[in-house]
Amino acid sequence: NAGVTQTPKFQVLKTGQSMTLQCAQDMNHEYMSWYRQDPGMGLRLIHYSVGAGITDQGEVPNGYNVSRSTTEDFPLRLLSAAPSQTSVYFCASSSWGANYEQYFGPGTRLTVT
Amino acid sequence: KQEVTQIPAALSVPEGENLVLNCSFTDSAIYNLQWFRQDPGKGLTSLLLIQSSQREQTSGRLNASLDKSSGRSTLYIAASQPGDSATYLCAVQSKETSGSRLTFGEGTQLTVNP
Repeated sequence: NAGVTQTPKFQVLKTGQSMTLQCAQDMNHEYMSWYRQDPGMGLRLIHYSVGAGITDQGEVPNGYNVSRSTTEDFPLRLLSAAPSQTSVYFCASSSWGANYEQYFGPGTRLTVT
Repeated sequence: KQEVTQIPAALSVPEGENLVLNCSFTDSAIYNLQWFRQDPGKGLTSLLLIQSSQREQTSGRLNASLDKSSGRSTLYIAASQPGDSATYLCAVQSKETSGSRLTFGEGTQLTVNP
């Protein structure tokens, strides 16, 4: 199993540009989520999904869109990038419900200038 | 709202020392607490998951304890090695939020010196 994969690994955007961060998992997990990690603020939940066609907002959803058309894929879209979105983004997956271990991807380091 | 705090923020120890990392949380209504390891520039790796009904979990040189009533967990690392150098994060899965959501602390950056 490849586990959770993320592309790209690094990205530089100009303010106002849009892009999609890709996330895929091959473990047939129902639950997938996106976090951002910033110094002094830890990991914060952006959006999550409990299955294909079902998504919901996390703690910091503004400026981001998600969709879940398949079990395997959960892309994160930045509609109009802002410098405040400079961060490291992590995708995670697990079986849905309590007490399941979560698996994280390697992260995407995004810089918005 | 659940809040998770980790103390200290950074720790430097000589090789071979036993050490304890601390994690506290404000709402004791949790499903579980998880400890993760993060190496520089890498993703998170799950180390231990303690369910709310459990008091501790062990994996090799790692032992994690949970005192739900006081809102505290500790991660004990025995006979530390330079390869243990990393950031250690704790996270709780709270009953106030749906299913699998995690609330993270900011982490403890551990350096083990040869």
